[in-house]
Amino acid sequence: NAGVTQTPKFQVLKTGQSMTLQCAQDMNHNSMYWYRQDPGMGLRLIYYSASEGTTDKGEVPNGYNVSRLNKREFSLRLESAAPSQTSVYFCASRPTGTGSYEQYFGPGTRLTVT
Amino acid sequence: KQEVTQIPAALSVPEGENLVLNCSFTDSAIYNLQWFRQDPGKGLTSLLLIQSSQREQTSGRLNASLDKSSGRSTLYIAASQPGDSATYLCAVFGAGTALIFGKGTTLSVSS
Repeated sequence: NAGVTQTPKFQVLKTGQSMTLQCAQDMNHNSMYWYRQDPGMGLRLIYYSASEGTTDKGEVPNGYNVSRLNKREFSLRLESAAPSQTSVYFCASRPTGTGSYEQYFGPGTRLTVT
Repeated sequence: KQEVTQIPAALSVPEGENLVLNCSFTDSAIYNLQWFRQDPGKGLTSLLLIQSSQREQTSGRLNASLDKSSGRSTLYIAASQPGDSATYLCAVFGAGTALIFGKGTTLSVSS
């Protein structure tokens, strides 16, 4: 199993450009998440998807859109990148439920917006 | 709104010391708590998961405890090694739909 994979690993954008961050998991998990990690702020939830076909906003959704393409894939799109979106983006997945389910993270995408 | 706090923010110890990292959360209605390790420039590695009905979990030199009523968890690392140097993150899964993270404790173990 590859677990949670993310592409690209690094990206530099100019202000106003758009891009899509890709995430896929091969663990048959229903729930998937996008977080951003900034120095001094910790990890904050951008969007999540509890199941295929559903998405909901997290703590910091402004400037982002998401697509749950199928059970495996959950993409994050920046329509018009801003310097404030410079961050490390992590995708994660977990089985549905409230019990002893670990959340698994991808390796991250390091995005710089100039 | 759930808030997770980790103290201290940074910790430096000599090799061989036993140490404790602290995590506190404001809403005790959680389903589980997860400890992660993050190396510089890398992703998150899950270390231990404690269900709300459990008091502690152990993995090798790591022991995590949970006191839900007081909103606290500790991560105990025995006989620390330079390879333990990393940032340790605590996160809780509660009534919301995703993990809520603390800002982490950065540990440095010197040889």
